[in-house]
Amino acid sequence: GAVVSQHPSWVICKSGTSVKIECRSLDFQATTMFWYRQFPKQSLMLMATSNEGSKATYEQGVEKDKFLINHASLTLSTLTVTSAHPEDSSFYICSARDSGDRPFFGPGTRLTVL
Amino acid sequence: QQQVKQSPQSLIVQKGGISIINCAYENTAFDYFPWYQQFPGKGPALLIAIRPDVSEKKEGRFTISFNKSAKQFSLHIMDSQPGDSATYFCAASKRGYNKLIFGAGTRLAVHP
Repeated sequence: GAVVSQHPSWVICKSGTSVKIECRSLDFQATTMFWYRQFPKQSLMLMATSNEGSKATYEQGVEKDKFLINHASLTLSTLTVTSAHPEDSSFYICSARDSGDRPFFGPGTRLTVL
Repeated sequence: QQQVKQSPQSLIVQKGGISIINCAYENTAFDYFPWYQQFPGKGPALLIAIRPDVSEKKEGRFTISFNKSAKQFSLHIMDSQPGDSATYFCAASKRGYNKLIFGAGTRLAVHP
């Protein structure tokens, strides 16, 4: 089956620093990847849609200058949280769409901002 | 119109029983309805999915029932096991668009 990985699995950073999270499709090419955020005991909320070779599409209320997305290849998308603050602490999950249009999710990245 | 409403919020089932989780949607353009299972600290894993051209799909102990006219779909877990204890999310999306709209989630606890 389709496998999506994320790195790192968890990260702790100081307030004001930037953090980069990688999402890779391991055994398939993904022209489209999605980034979600999940707060404790809540559902997944889509942040942005990442398209290979073009600009990401952000959901309403998501600051594109704060959450930088780059999808430079068919197997890699990155999310950079810039100038992170404690309220950015969350579980960030990516998904990638396979050739059958089915979205598969990565294992998530736990971000804690001190 | 973009919402997917899921119930119940939490569910307790005895081992061997049937777990039933329900979802309802408004947007008739949705045509892909997956169910995901999520364990604490892990990403969601696709369990089973259905498209609106069928009314039921079964994979092992998991069955999706789909009622297009009522705009509702449900997940049935037969012979529930303690290992099924997790949070379950329904979702919906439009083909080609593929942005998943998630329900609020159901925390299932299967007691031995």
